Amino acid sequence: DAGITQSPRHKVTETGTPVTLRCHQTENHRYMYWYRQDPGHGLRLIHYSYGVKDTDKGEVSDGYSVSRSKTEDFLLTLESATSSQTSVYFCAIKAGDDEQFFGPGTRLTVL
Amino acid sequence: EDKVVQSPLSLVVHEGDTVTLNCSYEVTNFRSLLWYKQEKKAPTFLFMLTSSGIEKKSGRLSSILDKKELFSILNITATQTGDSAVYLCAVEAAGAGSYQLTFGKGTKLSVIP
Repeated sequence: DAGITQSPRHKVTETGTPVTLRCHQTENHRYMYWYRQDPGHGLRLIHYSYGVKDTDKGEVSDGYSVSRSKTEDFLLTLESATSSQTSVYFCAIKAGDDEQFFGPGTRLTVL
Repeated sequence: EDKVVQSPLSLVVHEGDTVTLNCSYEVTNFRSLLWYKQEKKAPTFLFMLTSSGIEKKSGRLSSILDKKELFSILNITATQTGDSAVYLCAVEAAGAGSYQLTFGKGTKLSVIP
């Protein structure tokens, strides 16, 4: 495996609360990504990072922020969760010219 | 805006059949096309294609890219029930400082005994 973990794996929260999801890699890869997956929409890019403190927005970034203070960790924060952010969230890493590897996913439910 | 379209969206076949999954794309700064398999968990990597006309093979699965016509196909021969999954096509583009994937909505393959 690519050495990528996500925490928590499942979370139920209430509308308006802040939520932080963590992606951790052990491979020291430069590129890290956050996606969400919803029925009928497939996988969509939220934010990505190309180095420590270097991040940028993806296709569906509204309502999300990210931080990367260390190579191995990429955090996704929902400042004030809404029901529309109920989804499965996947982190991915990319090693150089190779493909992206995906973490196991986090299932988030916002009530 | 980058776009990836997969067809069909779903497919039901019998074990032993051969299937062809299609992926067409429109993308700026194309770098590669990737296929993933997803079975109720994280997507797992199958193929990365960068050059036109060169077939990649792994067992009963194969894939080819046509960069002129902007499409790719994924073939699965002698299908087995374990091939039942959603197959995702993604196109990688080079952007400012990084590489980004745009995914199609996937083809759900069901293989029945």
